Amino acid sequence: DGGITQSPKYLFRKEGQNVTLSCEQNLNHDAMYWYRQDPGQGLRLIYYSQIVNDFQKGDIAEGYSVSREKKESFPLTVTSAQKNPTAFYLCASKAGETDTQYFGPGTRLTVL
Amino acid sequence: AQSVTQLDSQVPVFEEAPVELRCNYSSSVSVYLFWYVQYPNQGLQLLLKYLSGSTLVKGINGFEAEFNKSQTSFHLRKPSVHISDTAEYFCAVSDATSWGKLQFGAGTQVVVTP
Repeated sequence: DGGITQSPKYLFRKEGQNVTLSCEQNLNHDAMYWYRQDPGQGLRLIYYSQIVNDFQKGDIAEGYSVSREKKESFPLTVTSAQKNPTAFYLCASKAGETDTQYFGPGTRLTVL
Repeated sequence: AQSVTQLDSQVPVFEEAPVELRCNYSSSVSVYLFWYVQYPNQGLQLLLKYLSGSTLVKGINGFEAEFNKSQTSFHLRKPSVHISDTAEYFCAVSDATSWGKLQFGAGTQVVVTP
């Protein structure tokens, strides 16, 4: 069953802690993306990767870090430097330039 | 740089009535346009996309959209909605220079009532 999985679905963390969100795809897609969603603001791009071992900052990369060591995996770390990390995080992937981006189910992060 | 404006933040509609969700974009180059739907606490699902060719695009669940280059619009329509169409709808744009990155509008919440 092909698709994108994100884990965990809900995540709670204390202020000052780093936390890593998982994103895995078995669609054999080259490109992967991380978005942040806040109410009334749509989706904003955090980081993206066009190919293994390469990634670029999106519009709101400050306080986040990523890695792309394997084609199927693109984990996102929310660091303590991110001032307002409570949000819904969505991972996506796609095959080619004009192809559709497919989205995972999301992770809701709450900072306590 | 691209931008997307969804003109309505919320659209209430009665069941079996038609609905139109408005989307305007700005870009200096040829664009690719998308409509996605999001149900509560879920990811986004593609409804339809325009890449080139016919300006009237048909998608899933009875939705369609029309690309209007002169008005830089890509409005989404459905002739008769169901309760199950209650969701948030996002318009998005990319182009050949954006490396596949999508720029999203703020979203339109559709609430269907009996």
